[in-house]
Amino acid sequence: GQQVQQSPASLVLQEGENAELQCNFSTSLNSMQWFYQRPGGSLVSLFYNPSGTKHSGRLTSTTVIKERRSSLHISSSQTTDSGTYLCALEDVGDNSKLIWGLGTSLVVNP
Amino acid sequence: EAAVTQSPRNKVTVTGGNVTLSCRQTNSHNYMYWYRQDTGHGLRLIHYSYGAGNLQIGDVPDGYKATRTTQEDFFLLLELASPSQTSLYFCASTPNTGQLYFGEGSKLTVL
Repeated sequence: GQQVQQSPASLVLQEGENAELQCNFSTSLNSMQWFYQRPGGSLVSLFYNPSGTKHSGRLTSTTVIKERRSSLHISSSQTTDSGTYLCALEDVGDNSKLIWGLGTSLVVNP
Repeated sequence: EAAVTQSPRNKVTVTGGNVTLSCRQTNSHNYMYWYRQDTGHGLRLIHYSYGAGNLQIGDVPDGYKATRTTQEDFFLLLELASPSQTSLYFCASTPNTGQLYFGEGSKLTVL
């Protein structure tokens, strides 16, 4: 089965609302990465987060390895946050490849 | 900021045609990857390399060849393109393991 589960699959917000995106995994990991993908565009790395909490502007990533989960919190959402958010984990057994989730599609309405 | 450049950005070919997708990174990263992205499947790894002359098989390699000619350049080859290879292709690089840097993507349509 899918080793990396992302939830929710899609989310619609009003501008200004907060969002919590989840990534749960069933395998041991070295690290977790979060990416943002513009509609129809490329992927941009948001966080490379082996464990613990990292902040970048309105974004916060928290990875708890023993609970096998990682979250991405978006505060005070803006329309420009719309897009797809993907998580990917670096497996402890093979750190040359990432295991990807299917993503959360976020729409932020004005 | 790491730079990964893909070409062409858009390509249309016919069934049976030859296609080469090019990727260049200018940061002397060791690892380079080719992915395809399809709705419902997410990102799937085709081939990857950890240095010039090296090639590793990914998770969906059938119908694809790849070659890493230099530290900077990684090519994906479709010698007999099929409609099932219509997809959005991404190249990515990383120094060793760790943060991944992506190109802008190459949209391939096989008619």
